[in-house]
Amino acid sequence: SQQGEEDPQALSIQEGENATMNCSYKTSINNLQWYRQNSGRGLVHLILIRSNEREKHSGRLRVTLDTSKKSSSLLITASRAADTASYFCATRTWSNYQLIWGAGTKLIIKP
Amino acid sequence: EAQVTQNPRYLITVTGKKLTVTCSQNMNHEYMSWYRQDPGLGLRQIYYSMNVEVTDKGDVPEGYKVSRKEKRNFPLILESPSPNQTSLYFCASSLSSGDGANVLTFGAGSRLTVL
Repeated sequence: SQQGEEDPQALSIQEGENATMNCSYKTSINNLQWYRQNSGRGLVHLILIRSNEREKHSGRLRVTLDTSKKSSSLLITASRAADTASYFCATRTWSNYQLIWGAGTKLIIKP
Repeated sequence: EAQVTQNPRYLITVTGKKLTVTCSQNMNHEYMSWYRQDPGLGLRQIYYSMNVEVTDKGDVPEGYKVSRKEKRNFPLILESPSPNQTSLYFCASSLSSGDGANVLTFGAGSRLTVL
């Protein structure tokens, strides 16, 4: 079952610009996570934000969470070619340990 | 190095020929899971295991079997593969409690083609 929906499905920007991706979900969550996947490879965990947190930073990544709107955003600042990848959000609800995945945003950074 | 290792990475097989995709992790994680990834369908969970001898169905378990006899290993078995099981498969693991709970470490993926 899918709870998260990323928006946009695809995003193409120039190197150095900021990239923003959004994730919406349907039911109350315990935490929300963002993962990166380089083409055809395994996913890599980027950041976890808990339901009682509103913002988190990790290097050039900034994640916000708005539980009233059931949405999260991932901002990548000063993008680099190496940021080209697909980005997925995953949510964990309070009643189920399993992560529920969105369909991902494909980010392309143009040199 | 902490990692999840899957084998084989690539496999082409024929309908009905039983195959096993192995998955091993060296992080002493209690939780392990198998996913398949298909274009336009995202990640779908096949089976998961909360600990040794404890397994449960995910969203798309039909046509697959798993076992968890040891903590580090979680093989995925396709008893009679069919073309609709052609996919990219990922194994993942995590702690089941504490700060690292739910944060998945993924294997590199196994691309399976069933002819």
